[in-house]
Amino acid sequence: EIVLTQSPATLSLSPGERATLSCRASQSVSSYLAWYQQKVGQAPRLLIHAASNRATGIPARFSGSGSGTDFTLTISSLEPEDFAVYYCQQRSNWPTWTFGQGTKVEIK
Amino acid sequence: QVQLVESGGGVVQPGRSLRLSCAASGFIFSSYGMHWVRQAPGKGLEWVAVIWYDGSNKYYADSVKGRFTISRDNSKNTLYLQMNSLRADDTAVYYCARPSGYNWNEYGGDDAFDIWGQGTMVTVSS
Repeated sequence: EIVLTQSPATLSLSPGERATLSCRASQSVSSYLAWYQQKVGQAPRLLIHAASNRATGIPARFSGSGSGTDFTLTISSLEPEDFAVYYCQQRSNWPTWTFGQGTKVEIK
Repeated sequence: QVQLVESGGGVVQPGRSLRLSCAASGFIFSSYGMHWVRQAPGKGLEWVAVIWYDGSNKYYADSVKGRFTISRDNSKNTLYLQMNSLRADDTAVYYCARPSGYNWNEYGGDDAFDIWGQGTMVTVSS
């Protein structure tokens, strides 16, 4: 089973700052990695698919990079609405899927 | 608009059963594979099960294998999750999710999920 490890668990930043979130896979997942944002009381929202492709309607300040085992979600300049929990997800272990444990981006 | 609406959650005793439903609208339901994902209170997301677009294949997380059954009725645009032998650690919000169409796999969709329902809460407690 492929395990996804996200770091840090919590990121304390101010609006306007750059956020860098990491997701590491226990073995290669090629580019089969997605990123989601979840706010309290809401369903997750797809941000990035196939490691680096923004989903429809996602602002350009969100970007994804990486392949193999190391992936990064970058928010170039945090907006107030970006403070939330972020999850990575992979499906390389076809046909099952797994999520990372999440990174909380909180206001400093 | 594209929408998924879950129902059927509630409070149930350990060992009992419950069936969740997910009503789909605004897209061609029969063309897409579908997933169930759950989230225990204060915890992260856990993938539960997937069903092929035509119902021909079904796969489960180890934590629910042998107890949960995913199914669908394409004539009713509805996805189901039959949950048997429920345990306290099955307590969670259950979401149905549709895969995106960015890259099409054999099961009917992409690896990422772009449409989610609002979730339905299942509490297993005596």
